[in-house]
Amino acid sequence: SQQGEEDPQALSIQEGENATMNCSYKTSINNLQWYRQNSGRGLVHLILIRSNEREKHSGRLRVTLDTSKKSSSLLITASRAADTASYFCATDRNNFNKFYFGSGTKLNVKP
Amino acid sequence: GAVVSQHPSWVICKSGTSVKIECRSLDFQATTMFWYRQFPKQSLMLMATSNEGSKATYEQGVEKDKFLINHASLTLSTLTVTSAHPEDSSFYICSASGDIGSEAFFGQGTRLTVV
Repeated sequence: SQQGEEDPQALSIQEGENATMNCSYKTSINNLQWYRQNSGRGLVHLILIRSNEREKHSGRLRVTLDTSKKSSSLLITASRAADTASYFCATDRNNFNKFYFGSGTKLNVKP
Repeated sequence: GAVVSQHPSWVICKSGTSVKIECRSLDFQATTMFWYRQFPKQSLMLMATSNEGSKATYEQGVEKDKFLINHASLTLSTLTVTSAHPEDSSFYICSASGDIGSEAFFGQGTRLTVV
């Protein structure tokens, strides 16, 4: 990817379990955003975390950011089959909405 | 939220022809638009930054003569894939934003298949 790596590349869990995805990036950033993409479709914005923030919550989503390690994690709690999708982190270096995406994690939540 | 519309949603073209993809911001003025490409099972790769009224800025490795970008108005940017080849088959997505610090909105993407 242009920005960094995400791990795992693929994750398969049972409904109700938590899913954690990690993202590492290479350069300094203004903010980092997480997106979801259903197979072959457009992107859905999930959450934005700014470089001066360490943690953010939105519903069942929890995002952390460690700028010293240049990494972020996305936690989805109590997963549902409908959460099955690919998840990408995207970094914005200058707050210009110019995104560099991570390699993505393909999440499969089994009912 | 704001809407960004891409057209067409999918297109099949013959090798050697050119294809134009439109990206429109429907309810806001987009000073900047971005074009991304996504190969199957891969991530999105930023291709270029499109600024209204000026030349596009291309990322390293992206051929500007191959992928022509025009941002003629504050609501429309177009990407033309010239002399398309099968290896250009991909999912192309645009995003648009207004002023610095405002949210970006993505189009629904265009799936290009070159045969």
